[in-house]
Amino acid sequence: EAGVAQSPRYKIIEKRQSVAFWCNPISGHATLYWYQQILGQGPKLLIQFQNNGVVDDSQLPKDRFSAERLKGVDSTLKIQPAKLEDSAVYLCASSPGQRLLGTDTQYFGPGTRLTVL
Amino acid sequence: TQLLEQSPQFLSIQEGENLTVYCNSSSVFSSLQWYRQEPGEGPVLLVTVVTGGEVKKLKRLTFQFGDARKDSSLHITAAQPGDTGLYLCAGLYTSGTYKYIFGTGTRLKVLA
Repeated sequence: EAGVAQSPRYKIIEKRQSVAFWCNPISGHATLYWYQQILGQGPKLLIQFQNNGVVDDSQLPKDRFSAERLKGVDSTLKIQPAKLEDSAVYLCASSPGQRLLGTDTQYFGPGTRLTVL
Repeated sequence: TQLLEQSPQFLSIQEGENLTVYCNSSSVFSSLQWYRQEPGEGPVLLVTVVTGGEVKKLKRLTFQFGDARKDSSLHITAAQPGDTGLYLCAGLYTSGTYKYIFGTGTRLKVLA
């Protein structure tokens, strides 16, 4: 079974530029997550989709970050314009969405390392 | 805001030593997961604990969920260099929402 795919793996941009990340979740997974992970810290949830609807985006800086999940499959995360503090690894994860069990397992992609200069 | 604090933040030990990592919160979680993350990769799930007081063993790793489901611990017996990595706990918070809250992380280095 193929895992969560992300691209690009690395991106270097100047501040105030725009950048987009792409995620292809595991086939059949209803829930998709985008996390921001600052070096050496735990991931912080940016946005969570259930199929193609947003479940939680309370920690998404909406003045510069946007995300969409078209047709409930692939997802893109965009930053416009980027700031220095956006330098981080952006992780995408997906899960089957088995909420009733309380053990919905997340599977993570390798992440995209963003450096803003 | 739900927070998960992990301790210690960093740990460097010799091969063969034992260690314990703690994950604490003031919030109650429906379940708690432990992940290990290696450089350049995403976190990989080690275990999920669901019931208060639950203990799970995975070879040399022992995981415990607190009785009140607010804390957890990970104990490694006879650590090996292959155990090196970033250990993350993640609590599933389902009160009014449904999301995972990750801990602050514990970076472990096991020296040969």
